Amino acid sequence: DGGITQSPKYLFRKEGQNVTLSCEQNLNHDAMYWYRQDPGQGLRLIYYSQIVNDFQKGDIAEGYSVSREKKESFPLTVTSAQKNPTAFYLCASTSNQMPEAFFGQGTRLTVV
Amino acid sequence: AQTVTQSQPEMSVQEAETVTLSCTYDTSENNYYLFWYKQPPSRQMILVIRQEAYKQQNATENRFSVNFQKAAKSFSLKISDSQLGDTAMYFCAFDDRWGKLIFGQGTTLQVKP
Repeated sequence: DGGITQSPKYLFRKEGQNVTLSCEQNLNHDAMYWYRQDPGQGLRLIYYSQIVNDFQKGDIAEGYSVSREKKESFPLTVTSAQKNPTAFYLCASTSNQMPEAFFGQGTRLTVV
Repeated sequence: AQTVTQSQPEMSVQEAETVTLSCTYDTSENNYYLFWYKQPPSRQMILVIRQEAYKQQNATENRFSVNFQKAAKSFSLKISDSQLGDTAMYFCAFDDRWGKLIFGQGTTLQVKP
């Protein structure tokens, strides 16, 4: 079945560590997105990518980095510069033919 | 920059009744898409309904319909015959077709038996 897979489902980070969240899709979608969701809040755009080897900053990119070396993969690194990383992270993708976004199951990141 | 605003953080409705969730947006684009997504307690995002800006006719999907007012930049969602399973957080979203998909702050809807 086609879809988006995020891993891990739960992730714990120590202060000062970098961690990478995985997002893989087999939908052949061109565009991929990363969102952050805080409790009871909306989705804020971190980074998005329309094509391989290209990506743009969203509204809250500071303290995060991404790469898009393959069409299927869009990993997000939460760096030590992100002072408040505890949140729920959602990855999504869209195609040019169908504008609806497909979402992964999310990763819950907690700083310990 | 495009923005999406949902001014109702929380709403409640009795089962079988009708409720309307509000959304306004700001853009200088003429062609775009608008969506309503549902996020139940499982946190899986589910598409409820979509609207193409070039279409004047309001979209409907079973019990869900929208009131799209392009000039007013308003995009409200009406849920008819509310069911307990409709309890969720609802997000309005805007796609400018240039790669940026942005969401509103969300409205938590509680359907009461």
